[in-house]
Amino acid sequence: GENVEQHPSTLSVQEGDSAVIKCTYSDSASNYFPWYKQELGKRPQLIIDIRSNVGEKKDQRIAVTLNKTAKHFSLHITETQPEDSAVYFCAASIRANKLVFGAGTILRVKS
Amino acid sequence: DAGITQSPRHKVTETGTPVTLRCHQTENHRYMYWYRQDPGHGLRLIHYSYGVKDTDKGEVSDGYSVSRSKTEDFLLTLESATSSQTSVYFCAISDGTSFNEQYFGPGTRLTVT
Repeated sequence: GENVEQHPSTLSVQEGDSAVIKCTYSDSASNYFPWYKQELGKRPQLIIDIRSNVGEKKDQRIAVTLNKTAKHFSLHITETQPEDSAVYFCAASIRANKLVFGAGTILRVKS
Repeated sequence: DAGITQSPRHKVTETGTPVTLRCHQTENHRYMYWYRQDPGHGLRLIHYSYGVKDTDKGEVSDGYSVSRSKTEDFLLTLESATSSQTSVYFCAISDGTSFNEQYFGPGTRLTVT
């Protein structure tokens, strides 16, 4: 079945710097790649997603890129702020009804 | 937040007792999911439902059963709770369109002593 690996497991950046989180997936049939943000004690929240027919998508300070050939996708956060501190999860969907998640990245933004 | 609630929000139970967690949605979405979240493992799928009375197993289904008798409710049952089932359990919903946007409930923290 599908396997998703996520790196790094923890990431510390200075406020204002950029942060990049990378994920790789195993099944070339996967066609949907969402990113979730989870603050401490809260539910995961969908922040951005990308579908296999596009290479990049942006929403204000966040962007996601997809390289289907290499089977990896990345989350980019620019001009990081303290409120960006959270756990971020990537996921991949091989069919329309199931997601496989990465293990998560703890992002700490130091002010 | 999507109209998803979970009950109870916190529960402490003893090894060997049965436990049922409830997920309720007001979005009339077709798909409902149960995940468990443990440090270092992300979110792992336990079971999911693609309609009333239609369910299927996820990657960590051993020791769990589910039922869905109404569109809005999806129940997760631990037949005989074990300490390894101590976890945070999240329910999620999806409308089942071509891409799988899932929205999560607030979670249930379960401790098995």
